[in-house]
Amino acid sequence: GENVEQHPSTLSVQEGDSAVIKCTYSDSASNYFPWYKQELGKRPQLIIDIRSNVGEKKDQRIAVTLNKTAKHFSLHITETQPEDSAVYFCAASGPGGGSQGNLIFGKGTKLSVKP
Amino acid sequence: ETGVTQTPRHLVMGMTNKKSLKCEQHLGHNAMYWYKQSAKKPLELMFVYNFKEQTENNSVPSRFSPECPNSSHLFLHLHTLQPEDSALYLCASSQPTVAGGELFFGEGSRLTVL
Repeated sequence: GENVEQHPSTLSVQEGDSAVIKCTYSDSASNYFPWYKQELGKRPQLIIDIRSNVGEKKDQRIAVTLNKTAKHFSLHITETQPEDSAVYFCAASGPGGGSQGNLIFGKGTKLSVKP
Repeated sequence: ETGVTQTPRHLVMGMTNKKSLKCEQHLGHNAMYWYKQSAKKPLELMFVYNFKEQTENNSVPSRFSPECPNSSHLFLHLHTLQPEDSALYLCASSQPTVAGGELFFGEGSRLTVL
């Protein structure tokens, strides 16, 4: 089955700096790669996702890149703000129904943005 | 209102107790999930239901018993749990799609097993 590795486990940046979180996946059939943000004591929420037919997607200060050949994808946050502090999870899933279509999550990255 | 509601939010139980967690979604989705979130294995998939049918059991011990009476409700029945089962149990729902879709999570039920 799919295995998702996420690095780093913790990341501390100064406000205004950029933050990059990287994930690798094992199943070459995976074609959907979302990122979830979980603030302390709250539920995980989708912030951005990318499908395998594109290499990059951007939404304001957040961008995600995908390298299918290397089987890795990354989250980029520019001009970080204190409210970006949270745990970020990457995930991957494959096509179709059944087990392959279920999201498998990385272990998470705790991002701290220092004012 | 997030659309996915879980009760209770906190639960403390002994190893011999029997309790249930409840999840309800008001989003019209047809897929529902139980995830376990702990320090060791964040967001670990437990069970998946599509159109009330269980489509995934991720090698979960039988002391966890899911029930999905309809597409809007999902239960997790707990009995003879172990202290290592203490965790945050998250329910989620989605529209089943061919190539993945957004999961909408509930706030979670924080379980402590004494």
